[in-house]
Amino acid sequence: SQQGEEDPQALSIQEGENATMNCSYKTSINNLQWYRQNSGRGLVHLILIRSNEREKHSGRLRVTLDTSKKSSSLLITASRAADTASYFCATALIQGAQKLVFGQGTRLTINP
Amino acid sequence: EAQVTQNPRYLITVTGKKLTVTCSQNMNHEYMSWYRQDPGLGLRQIYYSMNVEVTDKGDVPEGYKVSRKEKRNFPLILESPSPNQTSLYFCASSSWLSSSYEQYFGPGTRLTVT
Repeated sequence: SQQGEEDPQALSIQEGENATMNCSYKTSINNLQWYRQNSGRGLVHLILIRSNEREKHSGRLRVTLDTSKKSSSLLITASRAADTASYFCATALIQGAQKLVFGQGTRLTINP
Repeated sequence: EAQVTQNPRYLITVTGKKLTVTCSQNMNHEYMSWYRQDPGLGLRQIYYSMNVEVTDKGDVPEGYKVSRKEKRNFPLILESPSPNQTSLYFCASSSWLSSSYEQYFGPGTRLTVT
C-alpha cells in the first residue's frame, strides 16, 4: 500500500497566489522529501525535512512536518507559471532510509 | 556536470523481445534504484542496489532483472517484455554513506511493448 498520499490530486491557482499541498503517511519515518516533476521528465529534489524537524524553508518553499499526525505540507508562495508541475512527497523509513516510497503526486497548474 | 543518464529515452518493442535499459551516474553514488511510473499509481520501485554486487527487490520486481557490476552502472533487463510493462521508467541514485538521502533522477525511458 502507498506510504504517502497527496492531497489534493490536482490544484489550479492564479499566478501570484500561494499553493499548498499535503501529504499523509502511515509508518514512522527517518525523513520526508518533496520532489517536482515537469511533464514526462525526471524528478527534481526540492527539499528534505527530517523527523526531528517541524518546519523548513528554501526560497519560496516552506515545508512542515507533523509526526504525531503523520502529515506534511508543502507551501509555494507567490506562485509563478514556471511552478506548473507535479509535486510528489516521498518518505524514507527509519530502517533503510535510503529507500523512498512516493505518493501519487499533486498536479499543480499556475494560470497566468 | 553531475547527472544520471538513461538510454534509450524512447523504445517501442514487441512482446518477448529481450531488452536492456542502461543507467549510468557520474557522482560515485553507492545507491541506485529503478522506478516505473504509471498514471494514477505514482512511482513504484522495481529494484535497488546499495552498492556494487548488492541488489534487492523493490515493490514490483516481477518481470525485471538488474545487475550492479560497476558502481556507476545499473542496467534494467526485461527478459521477455509484456504489454503490462509499458511504462515510463526512471533510474535514480544517491549517496547513503554521506547520509544525504536526496535522490538524483535520470530523464526517463518511455517504453511501449506491443
